[in-house]
Amino acid sequence: AQSVTQLDSQVPVFEEAPVELRCNYSSSVSVYLFWYVQYPNQGLQLLLKYLSGSTLVKGINGFEAEFNKSQTSFHLRKPSVHISDTAEYFCAVISSITDNYGQNFVFGPGTRLSVLP
Amino acid sequence: ETGVTQSPTHLIKTRGQQVTLRCSSQSGHNTVSWYQQALGQGPQFIFQYYREEENGRGNFPPRFSGLQFPNYSSELNVNALELDDSALYLCASSFAVLDGYTFGSGTRLTVV
Repeated sequence: AQSVTQLDSQVPVFEEAPVELRCNYSSSVSVYLFWYVQYPNQGLQLLLKYLSGSTLVKGINGFEAEFNKSQTSFHLRKPSVHISDTAEYFCAVISSITDNYGQNFVFGPGTRLSVLP
Repeated sequence: ETGVTQSPTHLIKTRGQQVTLRCSSQSGHNTVSWYQQALGQGPQFIFQYYREEENGRGNFPPRFSGLQFPNYSSELNVNALELDDSALYLCASSFAVLDGYTFGSGTRLTVV
């Protein structure tokens, strides 16, 4: 079984400042890692994912994340945020073990990023 | 691409009633999953369908059931509604799970 922790429930930051949203996971098997963003009254949109290879992955809207296997972390960063980045951000994992019963995402509780003018 | 469409967008039901939520998958996607997102929480996996067969289920009671149709659209049925069933229900479709899901905007269910 997998679990995902997002320690920061809310992160306020001023516009054009850098931001890091933290994600830690626990799993008895290897996993793939994802970040999703949810804007008000909308579904979730994929920001980026780590499947294999380089531990630094780049996504949409200038976001990037770094996978750290030893610390079981996948923190999301952006060097300069905009007002439009205000949203809920979810870290998710999925087992890399495929079987006949399928795979499903396990989501963290989310971090609300508020970008202030 | 038409994306994932869910209906209705909002729904109010009385405790003990039954409800059916609908989802139209993105074109070409053969896998559909349903998630329950309670207020202030992350989505929780309910179940997944692949080519009309359930191939994954989360920790939800049997009164949560589903269907996937030949055109890959899907339904989520919940019987004997309880107050704690109040949540945003998200449908997501994919062709290959590791591509990431395409999520709909959800159905907001309120049970009173």
